[in-house]
Amino acid sequence: QQQVKQSPQSLIVQKGGISIINCAYENTAFDYFPWYQQFPGKGPALLIAIRPDVSEKKEGRFTISFNKSAKQFSLHIMDSQPGDSATYFCAASLYGQNFVFGPGTRLSVLP
Amino acid sequence: DADVTQTPRNRITKTGKRIMLECSQTKGHDRMYWYRQDPGLGLRLIYYSFDVKDINKGEISDGYSVSRQAQAKFSLSLESAIPNQTALYFCATSDGQTPVTGELFFGEGSRLTVL
Repeated sequence: QQQVKQSPQSLIVQKGGISIINCAYENTAFDYFPWYQQFPGKGPALLIAIRPDVSEKKEGRFTISFNKSAKQFSLHIMDSQPGDSATYFCAASLYGQNFVFGPGTRLSVLP
Repeated sequence: DADVTQTPRNRITKTGKRIMLECSQTKGHDRMYWYRQDPGLGLRLIYYSFDVKDINKGEISDGYSVSRQAQAKFSLSLESAIPNQTALYFCATSDGQTPVTGELFFGEGSRLTVL
């Protein structure tokens, strides 16, 4: 019940395209859903996050869509750029504690 | 200088050796964590500490121990390293006083290879 599933494992997108990464969770008590971005040789860093009381959050080219009834959330990257090439992790937590991470998606944006 | 510093960044050791990975932070956060990253498995929590006198096991604590020497320092030890502990290890911090997003701030990682 603590698991967070993430797909796809890897994604290749052309520059200017839309990248979509999907996650699903089981524990309905989770109350915070962040996405972390990790570049090679670096630690993950918070990209964008959402709480379950809203269905969408947008920050620049990055949007989280949240479907509480389906227990799913997704990251959309509009106008994808080569600089977006990284590994993306979805996560879920309860009261900001004990984050559970998805297995990650390696995104490659071709120039 | 990085807010969360891990040492060493890379280490190669042999089966049965004792290894310590160290983490120090200048963010003033009270919460510190050790995660392990393996390809296809994401980040898994090994141990976490919410203050100097608080130590808690995470999802995969077997074979590991930790010490919280000060608010700013949290070390991870492998008493007798084995090859399946070969992985990338991350220290992270969060501010327990911030209601409550709990954003994690990660170090740059320590790559450990056990031969």
